[in-house]
Amino acid sequence: GEDVEQSLFLSVREGDSSVINCTYTDSSSTYLYWYKQEPGAGLQLLTYIFSNMDMKQDQRLTVLLNKKDKHLSLRIADTQTGDSAIYFCAESKGNNNDMRFGAGTRLTVKP
Amino acid sequence: SQTIHQWPATLVQPVGSPLSLECTVEGTSNPNLYWYRQAAGRGLQLLFYSVGIGQISSEVPQNLSASRPQDRQFILSSKKLLLSDSGFYLCAWSRGGVETQYFGPGTRLLVL
Repeated sequence: GEDVEQSLFLSVREGDSSVINCTYTDSSSTYLYWYKQEPGAGLQLLTYIFSNMDMKQDQRLTVLLNKKDKHLSLRIADTQTGDSAIYFCAESKGNNNDMRFGAGTRLTVKP
Repeated sequence: SQTIHQWPATLVQPVGSPLSLECTVEGTSNPNLYWYRQAAGRGLQLLFYSVGIGQISSEVPQNLSASRPQDRQFILSSKKLLLSDSGFYLCAWSRGGVETQYFGPGTRLLVL
């Protein structure tokens, strides 16, 4: 099957930028997503990008998509302790049952 | 605005006991509904999805079943729980034809 891969852990200092990376294998992916999961909670949609876009910025979040390399990244500027969570990358072609998630990257922000 | 609810939040059940987890969505009609399981330290595994009342598609063979008795209600069930059913169960919804999924708060199930 098609895969979505992420590194499992990332640790940064408060105030630094965080970059969480994701690679996927399905070249026909149409939508690419970043979700945030705080401890004991469900997933919160942070942002998504269409496959015909290279970049999307939303306040402190910047999503970069390199479609040729099938690489997606999430940059969090001025990372805060409240950003500590697990971040999931996901992709889909827009059908009902084809959304695929990575295993999640646990971001730890140290004061 | 739309909201999605799941209950219970936490459940501890003995092996062999039945299970019923409930998910309801408010503020939208005819949503697509999904059940996922998240095992510790792993990604999400899609278990079931539904595009309408009584329409259930299963993604993986397992000890669980799902039902959709009403438009905005999705239930995950088991007749006899296994130890391997332990995990974090997430319900999600999306609008038909647009795949962005919105997740509920989840139910943590521990089977002992």
